[in-house]
Amino acid sequence: EPEVTQTPSHQVTQMGQEVILRCVPISNHLYFYWYRQILGQKVEFLVSFYNNEISEKSEIFDDQFSVERPDGSNFTLKIRSTKLEDSAMYFCASRETSSRETQYFGPGTRLLVL
Amino acid sequence: GQQVMQIPQYQHVQEGEDFTTYCNSSTTLSNIQWYKQRPGGHPVFLIQLVKSGEVKKQKRLTFQFGEAKKNSSLHITATQTTDVGTYFCAGSDNYGQNFVFGPGTRLSVLP
Repeated sequence: EPEVTQTPSHQVTQMGQEVILRCVPISNHLYFYWYRQILGQKVEFLVSFYNNEISEKSEIFDDQFSVERPDGSNFTLKIRSTKLEDSAMYFCASRETSSRETQYFGPGTRLLVL
Repeated sequence: GQQVMQIPQYQHVQEGEDFTTYCNSSTTLSNIQWYKQRPGGHPVFLIQLVKSGEVKKQKRLTFQFGEAKKNSSLHITATQTTDVGTYFCAGSDNYGQNFVFGPGTRLSVLP
């Protein structure tokens, strides 16, 4: 069974610091997503990425956030200057094509901002 | 913006009882997906519905998409303890460029 992997599994950082969350989508997938889930709350869409550019982004995805696909396998989410309210579980997801419906989620990175 | 609501927020059932969660969108959807998330886990894709009035079944799970493509339901027949978790619907109005998740229904199954 193919799977999306994410590193690190946990990250603790000081407010104002930059963090980079890493994801390795499934190898033949073309659509990539970042979501976040604040503890006990719903999953919130952040951004989708296709063909090396952002397809859609939510209001949450402001100038503090950026995504990159630096090579053929990694997909990263950068938060430039973390705030306390950025503490959440961040999930990466990928999908094969627009017609392939299954969206595979990674195990998540739990980010804690102190 | 698009909003997705789900009811109930929590449901406690006795093992063997049926369970239904309902999802409503403020906008017409192009497609809707359902996910299950176990405590401490990540969302796991269950199914996608695309057509108006579509009904899909997976063993004891029945998924329905409303005629107006603004609401959906998930019904579980004869729940088992392995069904425990939070069930989320996620709607898209742009064919999957983004998905708006509902708040989820947390299901507890008492043995």
